Amino acid sequence: NAGVTQTPKFQVLKTGQSMTLQCAQDMNHNSMYWYRQDPGMGLRLIYYSASEGTTDKGEVPNGYNVSRLNKREFSLRLESAAPSQTSVYFCASRLAGGPGDIQYFGAGTRLSVL
Amino acid sequence: QKEVEQDPGPLSVPEGAIVSLNCTYSNSAFQYFMWYRQYSRKGPELLMYTYSSGNKEDGRFTAQVDKSSKYISLFIRDSQPSDSATYLCAMSFGSSNTGKLIFGQGTTLQVKP
Repeated sequence: NAGVTQTPKFQVLKTGQSMTLQCAQDMNHNSMYWYRQDPGMGLRLIYYSASEGTTDKGEVPNGYNVSRLNKREFSLRLESAAPSQTSVYFCASRLAGGPGDIQYFGAGTRLSVL
Repeated sequence: QKEVEQDPGPLSVPEGAIVSLNCTYSNSAFQYFMWYRQYSRKGPELLMYTYSSGNKEDGRFTAQVDKSSKYISLFIRDSQPSDSATYLCAMSFGSSNTGKLIFGQGTTLQVKP
């Protein structure tokens, strides 16, 4: 069972470089989310897509863009990476109308910006 | 003030101990309450979920919600070294179609053999 798959698992960038983090889910979920996790800060929502064709800002959207490519895929783009974007990034998905608002997470992408 | 507060620990207990993890929240509109477990260098995984005040039990784990006090707890009985992880509480409003979760900071638990 693949669930939520994130690529790459690790990445090192230089300041100013750009990259796209990929996320795909095979659970036919409607909603998808991007979080970053920093020590002592818990999970902070960057962007989300409540349904295919829609995207909205979360708590910390500055410096990021997203694309909901189709129902399965939701990508996160860093146009000009900064050291402050060094973090662990998690993608999650949710079945709208399912029990509670349970989200299922990928294994994460560890990003270092030098 | 954060909407959801969680003591980050770290918390260290001997094997077999009863562990109590807690979160407080400020917004009485929260409807769903979840506990996620996150092992080192892994993604969070759902441990328990509840939507009402009271207790919910699953094996060695009990989730407790007190909406009047805006307080939730996770109890782990007979703790094992395999329970060593970070535990994150999460809450949602339920009535919104966005499904956004608000997370606590996470509590790191170490269970020593």
